[in-house]
Amino acid sequence: GQQVMQIPQYQHVQEGEDFTTYCNSSTTLSNIQWYKQRPGGHPVFLIQLVKSGEVKKQKRLTFQFGEAKKNSSLHITATQTTDVGTYFCAGATYNFNKFYFGSGTKLNVKP
Amino acid sequence: KAGVTQTPRYLIKTRGQQVTLSCSPISGHRSVSWYQQTPGQGLQFLFEYFSETQRNKGNFPGRFSGRQFSNSRSEMNVSTLELGDSALYLCASSLSDGPYEQYFGPGTRLTVT
Repeated sequence: GQQVMQIPQYQHVQEGEDFTTYCNSSTTLSNIQWYKQRPGGHPVFLIQLVKSGEVKKQKRLTFQFGEAKKNSSLHITATQTTDVGTYFCAGATYNFNKFYFGSGTKLNVKP
Repeated sequence: KAGVTQTPRYLIKTRGQQVTLSCSPISGHRSVSWYQQTPGQGLQFLFEYFSETQRNKGNFPGRFSGRQFSNSRSEMNVSTLELGDSALYLCASSLSDGPYEQYFGPGTRLTVT
């Protein structure tokens, strides 16, 4: 069935280093969303990408949607301790019936 | 606007019992989705309700059910609890059905002993 794979599962970085998480779908997506969940918290919506090849930036965060709309990435430049948490992607297919969440990438930032 | 609220926040039940969890969406939001989150399985979709109708359902047994009221508030029920049902149950509301951004509540932490 439809799956959204996300890698890596864990990432430990030194503060100031960059971080990237990748999301891949077996089928074409109509859109993709990214969420962040802080430890002990709940997922918080970050952004939605809709167009093929779309790139959006939020301060140090850069989100990309692949040309084929089957993959996406989130890149954080110069991580800070406040970036700690689990980042989830969620993809929706064109015959939308639900969001398929990736398994998440847990980011730990060492000061 | 107030965010999504879920009650209760924590719950301890024993095997075989049933439980009802409640979710109040953001005012004006008409779609409510429920997710189960466990360390091993991540975020698993349970079901989505829109205008009091279940629109989508995930791959969970019939012990898991839900409903939505005319004011968009939603409840989910789990009958005959099993140890494996221990999880964080998250409710998310969105403006309408379709691929809109979802706003999650704080969740209900259910422990089954």
